[in-house]
Amino acid sequence: QKEVEQNSGPLSVPEGAIASLNCTYSDRGSQSFFWYRQYSGKSPELIMSIYSNGDKEDGRFTAQLNKASQYVSLLIRDSQPSDSATYLCAVNTYNNDMRFGAGTRLTVKP
Amino acid sequence: EAQVTQNPRYLITVTGKKLTVTCSQNMNHEYMSWYRQDPGLGLRQIYYSMNVEVTDKGDVPEGYKVSRKEKRNFPLILESPSPNQTSLYFCASSFRGQPQHFGDGTRLSIL
Repeated sequence: QKEVEQNSGPLSVPEGAIASLNCTYSDRGSQSFFWYRQYSGKSPELIMSIYSNGDKEDGRFTAQLNKASQYVSLLIRDSQPSDSATYLCAVNTYNNDMRFGAGTRLTVKP
Repeated sequence: EAQVTQNPRYLITVTGKKLTVTCSQNMNHEYMSWYRQDPGLGLRQIYYSMNVEVTDKGDVPEGYKVSRKEKRNFPLILESPSPNQTSLYFCASSFRGQPQHFGDGTRLSIL
């Protein structure tokens, strides 16, 4: 089992819709969780951090964490074509090493 | 400005010719890491370092070397590059448990 798993996609949503991205992780000792956005050929950029169970909102983005289910999600409301990118889930493991999922490619169609 | 600087950004070279990709950060981060990214495979960790003189293998360390003699620098060395090491490489750094800051990437082509 991979340490961090994401649906590879591609996920396609119409402009204005909600995009839902999911991630599961295997290390129950993980404490820090992150979502990065990566445009093709560019470096990943951080969009959300979450450290405790529940929801965290920042503008159109909401991260959700459920440690009991070992599940992290990212919701993007009012999706825009500029949100089209690959989204990477990252988890800080028990030994303070950062592990990344393979990414979910999102396409927002005008 | 807080940043992670990789050099070179692009390199085309030939099989067997030793090369070094440098990585430097100015944020006093303890943790540094190297990744390679290939289509459909996401970010795969090559090596990471928790602090000076401490390095560990990631998922795909074969054919690579690293060193961490100073906190700010974490060079990636390919002693005898081969075509299967053609990839996009990223260096990243962070405080432990905190989000990583990424360099702009190095696109490496080995013929």
